Amino acid sequence: DAKTTQPNSMESNEEEPVHLPCNHSTISGTDYIHWYRQLPSQGPEYVIHGLTSNVNNRMASLAIAEDRKSSTLILHRATLRDAAVYYCILRDVLSNSGYALNFGKGTSLLVTP
Amino acid sequence: DGGITQSPKYLFRKEGQNVTLSCEQNLNHDAMYWYRQDPGQGLRLIYYSQIVNDFQKGDIAEGYSVSREKKESFPLTVTSAQKNPTAFYLCASSITGGGSSYNEQFFGPGTRLTVL
Repeated sequence: DAKTTQPNSMESNEEEPVHLPCNHSTISGTDYIHWYRQLPSQGPEYVIHGLTSNVNNRMASLAIAEDRKSSTLILHRATLRDAAVYYCILRDVLSNSGYALNFGKGTSLLVTP
Repeated sequence: DGGITQSPKYLFRKEGQNVTLSCEQNLNHDAMYWYRQDPGQGLRLIYYSQIVNDFQKGDIAEGYSVSREKKESFPLTVTSAQKNPTAFYLCASSITGGGSSYNEQFFGPGTRLTVL
């Protein structure tokens, strides 16, 4: 699976939008872009995923660049409960290794009141 | 409530002892996974199983063993051969382990193992 690059940390004020970037310049045509987040001392949880088009769900929005070499996770209104490590992960849908995910170090998001 | 349970939350063992971490799911998922997380690091895959009675090594399988005798259970044994076993261990499951459709992974709460 192709590699992703994320900033180590970001900071946001509560109730403001947050844009978490992810670069994946070696993405292939069959790689899905996934985002998970991990709250302190908990297991990760799914946030959103997409292939080519922008995606919205109740938790966040995913904006994918036209060339697919980068994407941005958007939290529309950050709350203190959104403070977590956010992982951007690529997964080749044609891989034979099940759905095991390759978690990098992610971006640690700090939300301040 | 459907979900994944891992027990215990904290586990202490003496060096040289084998220890088995429990992972149970009642989501009727075919695929299950074990990950290891060290402080400040991302998750690394230890083993995964796409179906009962079958499992494959992940990136860091040395010093670990698993079994998958039942669909709902995927225990992980940390053997004395694992040189640095102290870590946070996370179990996950997904509806299937392959195919063209995406299946979200659901994670358990984790077991924090400390080897003294």
